[in-house]
Amino acid sequence: DTGVSQNPRHKITKRGQNVTFRCDPISEHNRLYWYRQTLGQGPEFLTYFQNEAQLEKSRLLSDRFSAERPKGSFSTLEIQRTEQGDSAMYLCASSFGVQVGSTDTQYFGPGTRLTVL
Amino acid sequence: KNEVEQSPQNLTAQEGEFITINCSYSVGISALHWLQQHPGGGIVSLFMLSSGKKKHGRLIATINIQEKHSSLHITASHPRDSAVYICAVEPGEYSGGGADGLTFGKGTHLIIQP
Repeated sequence: DTGVSQNPRHKITKRGQNVTFRCDPISEHNRLYWYRQTLGQGPEFLTYFQNEAQLEKSRLLSDRFSAERPKGSFSTLEIQRTEQGDSAMYLCASSFGVQVGSTDTQYFGPGTRLTVL
Repeated sequence: KNEVEQSPQNLTAQEGEFITINCSYSVGISALHWLQQHPGGGIVSLFMLSSGKKKHGRLIATINIQEKHSSLHITASHPRDSAVYICAVEPGEYSGGGADGLTFGKGTHLIIQP
């Protein structure tokens, strides 16, 4: 399967713990996005990368959140000192996106569902 | 404020009916996306359009840039079309955006009964 993959699919953690999620985009896709979706709502943009450069961060991304894409391939999203309000589905998407400013179809992964107890 | 508004929020119809889902947005955009989300979270991109009309099988998407409005139509609806349909926009260059992430509507929950 050459689609976008995310691991783990589910994560249950206790408040205050750190968690890390991984996203593997479609190979040769230059652009990678992270979104968060809470129950009954549409997804919300968190951040995106053009290759290894993190070009945009939403105000939703507090200091407890950090994302990396060190070699321009896979990406990780870490949440430190988790809070119950962090419980959500974390979605990753990738697109071809050769040029900054271009628009392309985004391909979504299955998501990582985080539950903070 | 929500920059992307969808209607209706919920829609139940009988198999075979013609379905229309509407999306209105308030910012200048570079593109509009229609997405389908099934229970369990998986999101599939249906259309990306910046003008006119696109058709794929029984699905048709239209956009009116001047009126900041788009519609998604499903012809000859089938129970397997049951899903949440989400409209999302990419802010345009002069809306403080660029190649930003998408801004999503809350989705339309569609149920097609046999």
